[in-house]
Amino acid sequence: QKEVEQDPGPLSVPEGAIVSLNCTYSNSAFQYFMWYRQYSRKGPELLMYTYSSGNKEDGRFTAQVDKSSKYISLFIRDSQPSDSATYLCAMSARNAGNNRKLIWGLGTSLAVNP
Amino acid sequence: EAQVTQNPRYLITVTGKKLTVTCSQNMNHEYMSWYRQDPGLGLRQIYYSMNVEVTDKGDVPEGYKVSRKEKRNFPLILESPSPNQTSLYFCASRITGYLNEKLFFGSGTQLSVL
Repeated sequence: QKEVEQDPGPLSVPEGAIVSLNCTYSNSAFQYFMWYRQYSRKGPELLMYTYSSGNKEDGRFTAQVDKSSKYISLFIRDSQPSDSATYLCAMSARNAGNNRKLIWGLGTSLAVNP
Repeated sequence: EAQVTQNPRYLITVTGKKLTVTCSQNMNHEYMSWYRQDPGLGLRQIYYSMNVEVTDKGDVPEGYKVSRKEKRNFPLILESPSPNQTSLYFCASRITGYLNEKLFFGSGTQLSVL
């Protein structure tokens, strides 16, 4: 079993839809949870970062962490064609050393259609 | 502009011909890392560096070398490339310290080894 599982999609939604992206994980030591967005032929860029449990909101984006279920989500409200990208979840453990190695999901490909 | 610069963006080479992919960051980051990204396998860390003259292996270091002689530069060296090293490569950097998880990625180098 992989440490982090993420449905690769692809996910196709109409413009304006609410999008839900999810990852599950198995390592209960994970404390740092991140969502990166990767446009085609570009490097990933950090979108949302959450430490431990709870919700975090930034504009149209909301990140949720449920540590009891080992489940994280990213919600995109009023989705736009410019949101079309691959979304990667990543997480690391508090005591992972100086490297704080990130464990990555495989990414979910999202297409928002005008 | 704060950025991580990789060169070249695209590279086609033949088995056994030594090559170097350069990476430079202008953010004075201590930490730098190399990843490769493959379909179905996601992002995998090759090597990382916590600071000048300090490097360590990631998850898939075989066939690669790195050096960190200056803070801003972290070149990736393939001494004798093989076809299984055909991949999309990313360099990334961040500052070190508590809760500093934001990785800045370069735009990637698409390498094909024939």
